[in-house]
Amino acid sequence: EPEVTQTPSHQVTQMGQEVILRCVPISNHLYFYWYRQILGQKVEFLVSFYNNEISEKSEIFDDQFSVERPDGSNFTLKIRSTKLEDSAMYFCASSPGGNQPQHFGDGTRLSIL
Amino acid sequence: AQTVTQSQPEMSVQEAETVTLSCTYDTSESDYYLFWYKQPPSRQMILVIRQEAYKQQNATENRFSVNFQKAAKSFSLKISDSQLGDAAMYFCAYRAEGDDKIIFGKGTRLHILP
Repeated sequence: EPEVTQTPSHQVTQMGQEVILRCVPISNHLYFYWYRQILGQKVEFLVSFYNNEISEKSEIFDDQFSVERPDGSNFTLKIRSTKLEDSAMYFCASSPGGNQPQHFGDGTRLSIL
Repeated sequence: AQTVTQSQPEMSVQEAETVTLSCTYDTSESDYYLFWYKQPPSRQMILVIRQEAYKQQNATENRFSVNFQKAAKSFSLKISDSQLGDAAMYFCAYRAEGDDKIIFGKGTRLHILP
């Protein structure tokens, strides 16, 4: 069965540095999402992306964050000037349509030192 | 605001027995979807079961079934004939019709006792 794949599985970055988290959604899916889960807390929605633009974003998704679909297969989340509180598990998801189930990747654990 | 509450942080069940995980939610919407996701130690979030709010019939997927009580805003998951592979964190989740975001509960960690 097709899967959403995320790389790397674990990223360690110095505070203040930029980090790019990568995702390859399922190939025929059109909607893409990022969520994060701070240790011990709920999974939280960050952003959704459709037709090469952001369709919805949460309050968390401020100017520090950006998303991009640089080619036909990858979907990236960039975090500029990382802070300690950005440490979390980041999940990518995709769905074939807006009202259809979202399929999640394994997540990238981001640790900010 | 829409919220999802899972009141059981951890549960244990004997292998082959049945267990029910609780979930309540709050919304003023009439059209929405409810989900249970499973996150095993391998970390991948796997969709277990999905329920459309307009459907009165409870969703069923093999050994997994839900008890959807719309008026009470309750959405519990029943796992029958529990297997060792069912051990995982289970998240109850909600999405309003037309919304992209899924709202998750804090999760229930399920242990299966051999």
